[in-house]
Amino acid sequence: QSALTQPASVSGSPGQSITISCTGTSSDVGGYDHVCWYQQHPGKAPKLLIYDVTKRPSGISNRFSGSKSGNTASLTISGLQGEDEADYYCSSYTSSNTWVFGGGTKLNVL
Amino acid sequence: QLQLQESGPGLVKPSETLSLTCTVSGGSINTNNNNWAWIRQPPGKGLEWIGCAYSSGSTYYNPSLKSRVTISVDTSKNQFSLKLISVTAADTAVYFCARGDLRSGHLDYWGQGTLVTVSS
Repeated sequence: QSALTQPASVSGSPGQSITISCTGTSSDVGGYDHVCWYQQHPGKAPKLLIYDVTKRPSGISNRFSGSKSGNTASLTISGLQGEDEADYYCSSYTSSNTWVFGGGTKLNVL
Repeated sequence: QLQLQESGPGLVKPSETLSLTCTVSGGSINTNNNNWAWIRQPPGKGLEWIGCAYSSGSTYYNPSLKSRVTISVDTSKNQFSLKLISVTAADTAVYFCARGDLRSGHLDYWGQGTLVTVSS
């Protein structure tokens, strides 16, 4: 299975909004509504931000939102804060009953 | 609060077997609502899903690793384990254990991760 495609990096200023894309195929992102997003700070374990494309776990800020169109899912972070600077990974269920991650996107808050 | 903790050797020789255990506390591993997963991250690189197991014994593996990996659940010890045979330097990574949701598979609880280096 091939990794989902994410941009290597995105940048934004405090208070702005940014969007990270995650492109797969009809066998993963496009075929199922089981897309997740994780945030990872250096040296830490990933943290679940979004699941089932749009749902937020308890305790996750509503500044984080997810969407999907066709084979591409997106994570939008609004009202950027310095603490949002981290790596972000998408993940999707696949037609092989497995999971695949994206290559990761580094968010720089300028 | 559920907690997961990885344990095992931090150094493994090439061609040998990598063995890790994840101990689950604060909840039971014997549940029909979750699966138990392993994920790894080579230094400076992205996440790779290795596979998962259910307390029923069912397992699913990354096709690229399937011939070398075994994940098992020990309900009596509230632990699950990872075995990866015939390791090479490419298997050097931080290995994370995590709990997955049965229905959607999202990973909601993670261990802190443990670095395993493959070197002679």
